[in-house]
Amino acid sequence: DTTVKQNPRYKLARVGKPVNLICSQTMNHDTMYWYQKKPNQAPKLLLFYYDKILNREADTFEKFQSSRPNNSFCSLYIGSAGLEYSAMYLCASSRRGPNERLFFGHGTKLSVL
Amino acid sequence: GQQVQQSPASLVLQEGENAELQCNFSSTATQLQWFYQSPGGSLVSLLSNPSGTKHTGRLTSTTVTKERRSSLHISSSQTTDSGTYLCATASSGSWQLIFGSGTQLTVMP
Repeated sequence: DTTVKQNPRYKLARVGKPVNLICSQTMNHDTMYWYQKKPNQAPKLLLFYYDKILNREADTFEKFQSSRPNNSFCSLYIGSAGLEYSAMYLCASSRRGPNERLFFGHGTKLSVL
Repeated sequence: GQQVQQSPASLVLQEGENAELQCNFSSTATQLQWFYQSPGGSLVSLLSNPSGTKHTGRLTSTTVTKERRSSLHISSSQTTDSGTYLCATASSGSWQLIFGSGTQLTVMP
């Protein structure tokens, strides 16, 4: 199975409320990534896990949290959603790093009201 | 930081015509991947081609590393090729794959 699964497909959240998005893969990949994509913009890397080590981008460091309880699962957590968080959130995995082929999930479309 | 520009932004073809998509990047890249996204679908990796020429099916990618550009050629386009094609690169030592904004391809029957 070479799929990356994301839940839910659509998420509606209120401003100020927390949001938790889930991603899973069964390919035993070392690296899992979270990207944010807004309409007419390129996907933007938010953070990634290499094995158990979390790496967050400098400009999104305080906005997003993540956990990876085991090799297969990775979550993206927003403590207090703002309107600017409305976007598609894409999870991806690769066997090791970005020099390997990336497998993407279908994404979770988050709408913050 | 690395910037990735794709052209054209959109392209409309008749079925059977060839498509040429361009990707230019600002810094030396040690990784370059082409992705495809069908309408409503997920991103699918088409080719990994950091340098030289690679073929898969009707797709040919040519990357000239020192000129910081890559192209994706789609021969004999089909209506099912319609969608968005994204180019992404990573610099040496970087784990961040930087994406372009994509080329929207529409193949008319």
